[in-house]
Amino acid sequence: DAKTTQPNSMESNEEEPVHLPCNHSTISGTDYIHWYRQLPSQGPEYVIHGLTSNVNNRMASLAIAEDRKSSTLILHRATLRDAAVYYCILTISGNTPLVFGKGTRLSVIA
Amino acid sequence: DTAVSQTPKYLVTQMGNDKSIKCEQNLGHDTMYWYKQDSKKFLKIMFSYNNKELIINETVPNRFSPKSPDKAHLNLHINSLELGDSAVYFCASSQLGFSGGADEQFFGPGTRLTVL
Repeated sequence: DAKTTQPNSMESNEEEPVHLPCNHSTISGTDYIHWYRQLPSQGPEYVIHGLTSNVNNRMASLAIAEDRKSSTLILHRATLRDAAVYYCILTISGNTPLVFGKGTRLSVIA
Repeated sequence: DTAVSQTPKYLVTQMGNDKSIKCEQNLGHDTMYWYKQDSKKFLKIMFSYNNKELIINETVPNRFSPKSPDKAHLNLHINSLELGDSAVYFCASSQLGFSGGADEQFFGPGTRLTVL
Protein backbone atom coordinates (compact mmCIF):
# COMPACT_ATOMS: atom_id res chain seq x y z
CA ASP A 1 0.00 0.00 0.00
CA ALA A 2 1.15 3.52 -0.79
CA LYS A 3 2.18 5.60 2.20
CA THR A 4 0.57 8.74 3.52
CA THR A 5 2.01 11.62 5.49
CA GLN A 6 0.00 13.57 8.03
CA PRO A 7 0.88 16.12 10.71
CA ASN A 8 1.20 14.55 14.13
CA SER A 9 -1.25 16.92 15.75
CA MET A 10 -3.57 19.83 15.10
CA GLU A 11 -5.67 22.06 17.24
CA SER A 12 -8.94 23.79 16.51
CA ASN A 13 -11.40 26.00 18.30
CA GLU A 14 -14.89 24.70 18.75
CA GLU A 15 -17.35 25.57 15.99
CA GLU A 16 -14.60 26.55 13.59
CA PRO A 17 -13.74 24.66 10.41
CA VAL A 18 -10.81 22.25 10.48
CA HIS A 19 -8.70 21.26 7.50
CA LEU A 20 -6.71 18.07 8.02
CA PRO A 21 -4.09 17.56 5.30
CA CYS A 22 -2.69 14.32 3.93
CA ASN A 23 0.09 13.82 1.41
CA HIS A 24 0.17 10.71 -0.72
CA SER A 25 2.60 11.48 -3.51
CA THR A 26 3.03 7.81 -4.54
CA ILE A 27 -0.67 7.13 -4.94
CA SER A 28 -1.57 4.82 -7.80
CA GLY A 29 -4.50 5.17 -10.15
CA THR A 30 -6.49 2.46 -8.39
CA ASP A 31 -5.99 3.73 -4.83
CA TYR A 32 -8.98 5.09 -2.98
CA ILE A 33 -8.39 7.71 -0.29
CA HIS A 34 -10.09 6.75 2.94
CA TRP A 35 -10.36 8.67 6.18
CA TYR A 36 -11.06 7.01 9.47
CA ARG A 37 -11.00 8.45 12.96
CA GLN A 38 -10.55 6.92 16.37
CA LEU A 39 -12.19 8.58 19.32
CA PRO A 40 -10.66 7.93 22.74
CA SER A 41 -11.18 4.34 23.93
CA GLN A 42 -13.16 3.39 20.81
CA GLY A 43 -12.58 1.47 17.63
CA PRO A 44 -11.79 3.28 14.40
CA GLU A 45 -14.75 4.80 12.63
CA TYR A 46 -15.17 5.43 8.90
CA VAL A 47 -15.42 9.10 7.99
CA ILE A 48 -15.32 9.43 4.22
CA HIS A 49 -13.60 8.18 1.09
CA GLY A 50 -13.00 9.30 -2.47
CA LEU A 51 -11.19 8.45 -5.66
CA THR A 52 -10.84 11.55 -7.81
CA SER A 53 -13.70 13.94 -7.15
CA ASN A 54 -14.41 15.89 -3.99
CA VAL A 55 -16.90 14.19 -1.71
CA ASN A 56 -19.35 15.37 0.91
CA ASN A 57 -21.24 13.43 3.53
CA ARG A 58 -22.97 14.21 6.80
CA MET A 59 -19.71 13.99 8.74
CA ALA A 60 -17.19 15.80 6.56
CA SER A 61 -15.96 16.82 3.14
CA LEU A 62 -13.00 15.43 1.27
CA ALA A 63 -11.09 17.66 -1.10
CA ILE A 64 -8.77 15.79 -3.46
CA ALA A 65 -6.04 17.58 -5.37
CA GLU A 66 -6.23 17.40 -9.14
CA ASP A 67 -3.04 15.30 -9.32
CA ARG A 68 -4.33 13.17 -6.41
CA LYS A 69 -1.06 13.52 -4.55
CA SER A 70 -2.72 15.15 -1.59
CA SER A 71 -6.11 15.47 0.01
CA THR A 72 -7.77 17.41 2.81
CA LEU A 73 -10.43 16.30 5.21
CA ILE A 74 -12.69 19.18 6.13
CA LEU A 75 -14.78 19.27 9.27
CA HIS A 76 -17.07 22.22 8.75
CA ARG A 77 -17.72 23.02 12.40
CA ALA A 78 -15.54 21.23 14.91
CA THR A 79 -17.18 20.08 18.10
CA LEU A 80 -15.63 18.66 21.23
CA ARG A 81 -16.82 15.25 20.07
CA ASP A 82 -14.59 15.52 17.01
CA ALA A 83 -11.45 15.29 19.14
CA ALA A 84 -9.83 12.10 17.85
CA VAL A 85 -6.96 10.66 15.86
CA TYR A 86 -7.69 11.00 12.15
CA TYR A 87 -6.15 8.51 9.73
CA CYS A 88 -5.70 9.02 6.01
CA ILE A 89 -5.38 5.61 4.33
CA LEU A 90 -4.90 4.51 0.75
CA THR A 91 -6.40 1.25 -0.32
CA ILE A 92 -7.37 -0.35 -3.60
CA SER A 93 -10.49 -1.70 -1.95
CA GLY A 94 -12.40 -1.24 1.26
CA ASN A 95 -12.44 -5.00 1.40
CA THR A 96 -8.72 -5.27 2.07
CA PRO A 97 -6.96 -4.72 5.39
CA LEU A 98 -6.35 -1.10 6.23
CA VAL A 99 -2.78 0.06 6.75
CA PHE A 100 -2.87 2.65 9.51
CA GLY A 101 -0.15 5.25 9.93
CA LYS A 102 0.28 7.46 12.97
CA GLY A 103 -2.57 9.76 12.00
CA THR A 104 -3.25 13.30 13.16
CA ARG A 105 -4.38 13.88 16.71
CA LEU A 106 -7.01 16.63 16.60
CA SER A 107 -7.65 18.60 19.75
CA VAL A 108 -10.73 20.81 19.94
CA ILE A 109 -10.73 23.70 22.36
CA ALA A 110 -13.95 24.99 23.85
CA ASP B 1 -28.27 -2.92 17.40
CA THR B 2 -24.51 -3.14 17.61
CA ALA B 3 -23.03 -3.82 14.18
CA VAL B 4 -19.76 -5.43 15.33
CA SER B 5 -19.56 -6.69 18.88
CA GLN B 6 -16.69 -8.18 20.85
CA THR B 7 -16.52 -10.03 24.11
CA PRO B 8 -15.05 -9.56 26.56
CA LYS B 9 -14.33 -5.85 26.67
CA TYR B 10 -11.55 -6.33 29.20
CA LEU B 11 -9.42 -9.42 29.77
CA VAL B 12 -6.77 -9.67 32.47
CA THR B 13 -4.81 -12.90 32.69
CA GLN B 14 -1.52 -14.44 33.70
CA MET B 15 1.36 -15.26 31.41
CA GLY B 16 1.14 -18.72 29.96
CA ASN B 17 -2.65 -18.92 30.01
CA ASP B 18 -4.87 -19.56 26.98
CA LYS B 19 -7.70 -17.13 26.24
CA SER B 20 -10.26 -16.39 23.55
CA ILE B 21 -11.87 -13.23 22.26
CA LYS B 22 -15.14 -13.45 20.38
CA CYS B 23 -16.40 -11.26 17.58
CA GLU B 24 -19.78 -11.15 15.90
CA GLN B 25 -21.13 -8.92 13.13
CA ASN B 26 -24.79 -8.59 12.20
CA LEU B 27 -24.18 -6.68 8.97
CA GLY B 28 -24.20 -9.67 6.65
CA HIS B 29 -20.61 -8.93 5.60
CA ASP B 30 -18.40 -11.51 3.94
CA THR B 31 -15.05 -10.30 5.23
CA MET B 32 -13.83 -10.02 8.81
CA TYR B 33 -10.55 -8.92 10.32
CA TRP B 34 -8.54 -8.81 13.51
CA TYR B 35 -6.37 -5.78 14.20
CA LYS B 36 -4.00 -5.21 17.11
CA GLN B 37 -3.31 -1.82 18.68
CA ASP B 38 -0.22 -1.82 20.85
CA SER B 39 0.76 0.47 23.70
CA LYS B 40 2.15 3.01 21.25
CA LYS B 41 -1.27 3.12 19.59
CA PHE B 42 -0.15 1.62 16.29
CA LEU B 43 -2.96 -0.32 14.62
CA LYS B 44 -1.90 -3.34 12.59
CA ILE B 45 -3.76 -6.02 10.72
CA MET B 46 -3.38 -9.54 12.05
CA PHE B 47 -5.82 -11.67 10.06
CA SER B 48 -8.38 -11.34 7.33
CA TYR B 49 -11.13 -13.88 6.63
CA ASN B 50 -13.47 -14.00 3.67
CA ASN B 51 -16.46 -16.33 3.81
CA LYS B 52 -14.88 -18.27 6.67
CA GLU B 53 -11.61 -18.75 4.81
CA LEU B 54 -8.29 -17.28 5.93
CA ILE B 55 -7.08 -14.74 3.40
CA ILE B 56 -4.32 -12.90 5.20
CA ASN B 57 -2.06 -13.82 8.09
CA GLU B 58 0.34 -11.00 8.74
CA THR B 59 3.26 -12.87 10.30
CA VAL B 60 1.40 -13.39 13.51
CA PRO B 61 2.88 -16.03 15.87
CA ASN B 62 1.09 -19.35 15.57
CA ARG B 63 0.06 -19.01 19.21
CA PHE B 64 -2.73 -16.90 17.70
CA SER B 65 -5.38 -18.99 16.01
CA PRO B 66 -8.42 -17.34 14.48
CA LYS B 67 -11.53 -19.42 13.96
CA SER B 68 -14.54 -18.56 11.87
CA PRO B 69 -17.44 -20.95 12.56
CA ASP B 70 -19.65 -18.98 10.19
CA LYS B 71 -19.62 -15.76 8.20
CA ALA B 72 -20.88 -13.70 11.12
CA HIS B 73 -18.27 -14.78 13.65
CA LEU B 74 -14.51 -14.55 13.87
CA ASN B 75 -12.98 -15.60 17.16
CA LEU B 76 -9.39 -15.21 18.24
CA HIS B 77 -7.77 -17.82 20.43
CA ILE B 78 -4.39 -17.11 21.97
CA ASN B 79 -2.24 -19.84 23.52
CA SER B 80 0.57 -19.40 26.03
CA LEU B 81 0.01 -15.71 26.52
CA GLU B 82 3.07 -13.49 26.76
CA LEU B 83 3.57 -10.03 28.23
CA GLY B 84 3.96 -8.61 24.72
CA ASP B 85 0.46 -9.75 23.81
CA SER B 86 -0.96 -6.99 25.99
CA ALA B 87 -2.81 -4.70 23.61
CA VAL B 88 -6.25 -3.71 22.41
CA TYR B 89 -7.63 -6.11 19.82
CA PHE B 90 -10.20 -4.86 17.32
CA CYS B 91 -12.45 -6.93 15.15
CA ALA B 92 -13.80 -5.41 11.94
CA SER B 93 -15.94 -6.40 8.99
CA SER B 94 -16.59 -5.20 5.46
CA GLN B 95 -18.38 -6.14 2.29
CA LEU B 96 -17.02 -5.85 -1.20
CA GLY B 97 -19.18 -3.30 -2.91
CA PHE B 98 -20.57 -3.43 -6.40
CA SER B 99 -18.00 -0.83 -7.42
CA GLY B 100 -15.34 -3.32 -6.45
CA GLY B 101 -13.73 -0.54 -4.56
CA ALA B 102 -14.17 1.29 -1.46
CA ASP B 103 -16.72 0.01 1.01
CA GLU B 104 -16.05 1.01 4.56
CA GLN B 105 -14.94 -1.23 7.38
CA PHE B 106 -16.90 -1.39 10.59
CA PHE B 107 -14.93 -1.85 13.78
CA GLY B 108 -15.90 -3.34 17.08
CA PRO B 109 -15.33 -1.56 20.39
CA GLY B 110 -12.13 -3.45 21.11
CA THR B 111 -10.95 -5.91 23.74
CA ARG B 112 -8.24 -4.69 26.08
CA LEU B 113 -6.01 -7.64 26.93
CA THR B 114 -3.61 -7.30 29.85
CA VAL B 115 -1.13 -10.08 30.48
CA LEU B 116 0.47 -10.03 33.93
